[in-house]
Amino acid sequence: DAGVTQSPTHLIKTRGQQVTLRCSPKSGHDTVSWYQQALGQGPQFIFQYYEEEERQRGNFPDRFSGHQFPNYSSELNVNALWLGDSALYLCASSHGTGNGNTIYFGEGSWLTVV
Amino acid sequence: AQKVTQAQTEISVVEKEDVTLDCVYETRDTTYYLFWYKQPPSGELVFLIRRNSFDEQNEISGRYSWNFQKSTSSFNFTITASQVVDSAVYFCALSDWRDDKIIFGKGTRLHILP
Repeated sequence: DAGVTQSPTHLIKTRGQQVTLRCSPKSGHDTVSWYQQALGQGPQFIFQYYEEEERQRGNFPDRFSGHQFPNYSSELNVNALWLGDSALYLCASSHGTGNGNTIYFGEGSWLTVV
Repeated sequence: AQKVTQAQTEISVVEKEDVTLDCVYETRDTTYYLFWYKQPPSGELVFLIRRNSFDEQNEISGRYSWNFQKSTSSFNFTITASQVVDSAVYFCALSDWRDDKIIFGKGTRLHILP
């Protein structure tokens, strides 16, 4: 049973560029959420996708956008990268939404903006 | 607003000692969920436990135990007879019944010294 998988594992981008991160949820899961974890901090919620729609959004600018595909996989896009976007980006999946579902996380994508 | 506070930034103990990680939360909801996750250097968040607000029974899983006290809004985590493999960052987290957005604390970095 494959867990949550993310790609790429590591990447380096230049300020102003755009990046796309990918996530495949755990088998049987239909909900995908994205979190940003800056160094030394706890993960911060970016947004959640369910039924191919953005259901919830955290306090992140519009430069952060996403998509969910019919097979439940998801992409996170960040435009006009800032140095401050350097972080570990974690994808999480669950079945449905609400009621304290157990959320499973992937190993993350380490993004460095130079 | 929901908030999770982990006052201990970093803890070091010698192997085989017991160690307790503190967690205090804030929420106005009567129905909510509490979690603990472990984050090894690889970055993946490993799910340890989920507890709903109506179940204050303490839980033990091997060397791990959790003490949930609503009266003090605390959900503390104890590792008994610690091992070097327990070294990691541990996050306490909170979500409500409406969705799966998780609010994380800043984490406690645990060093188990051989």
